[in-house]
Amino acid sequence: GDSVTQMEGPVTLSEEAFLTINCTYTATGYPSLFWYVQYPGEGLQLLLKATKADDKGSNKGFEATYRKETTSFHLEKGSVQVSDSAVYFCAPRPHAGGTSYGKLTFGQGTILTVHP
Amino acid sequence: DGGITQSPKYLFRKEGQNVTLSCEQNLNHDAMYWYRQDPGQGLRLIYYSQIVNDFQKGDIAEGYSVSREKKESFPLTVTSAQKNPTAFYLCATWDPAGGFNQPQHFGDGTRLSIL
Repeated sequence: GDSVTQMEGPVTLSEEAFLTINCTYTATGYPSLFWYVQYPGEGLQLLLKATKADDKGSNKGFEATYRKETTSFHLEKGSVQVSDSAVYFCAPRPHAGGTSYGKLTFGQGTILTVHP
Repeated sequence: DGGITQSPKYLFRKEGQNVTLSCEQNLNHDAMYWYRQDPGQGLRLIYYSQIVNDFQKGDIAEGYSVSREKKESFPLTVTSAQKNPTAFYLCATWDPAGGFNQPQHFGDGTRLSIL
């Protein structure tokens, strides 16, 4: 079945440090790939997405590239801020209907804490 | 998401009691989902609905029930059969007409605890 492996956390960084959160997946065919962010006590918000091989999703300084050959979708940011402290989830969605109808497969989440 | 309202924000359940979590959306999305989130874990799918009057079990449906009588509403009942209900519950929607490239949208969640 489909699965996601995310970099284990928690990750603790100083402000302005470089961030990488690794994500690899197994999925049927060529899924769409999403990164979501969850701030304390809130629901999930879409951070970025990529829908085909070599696509780069970007938002708020975060980037991730759809690597079909390595089935990876690593999240990066060049200079993190305290306000980036949150939980980050990688989530592929296979392009299939039926019993997979629109469902996302979530990684376990990576907790990021950024100190001033 | 402003278009998805979950209520209440906090809920307490007594032993042997059923409780219902509300999820209302004004995004006009056909598909709706319920997830459970435990500390340090990812989201696990409880139930989902593709369309009004239809719903399917997810990965952890035991001890839960749902209904989908209106497009806007997808309430989740946590029954007394669910022995470990303490968790954060998230409702999500998706617009199939937009295709598989479109994301799911999430509400702000309900935190359920045992008294």
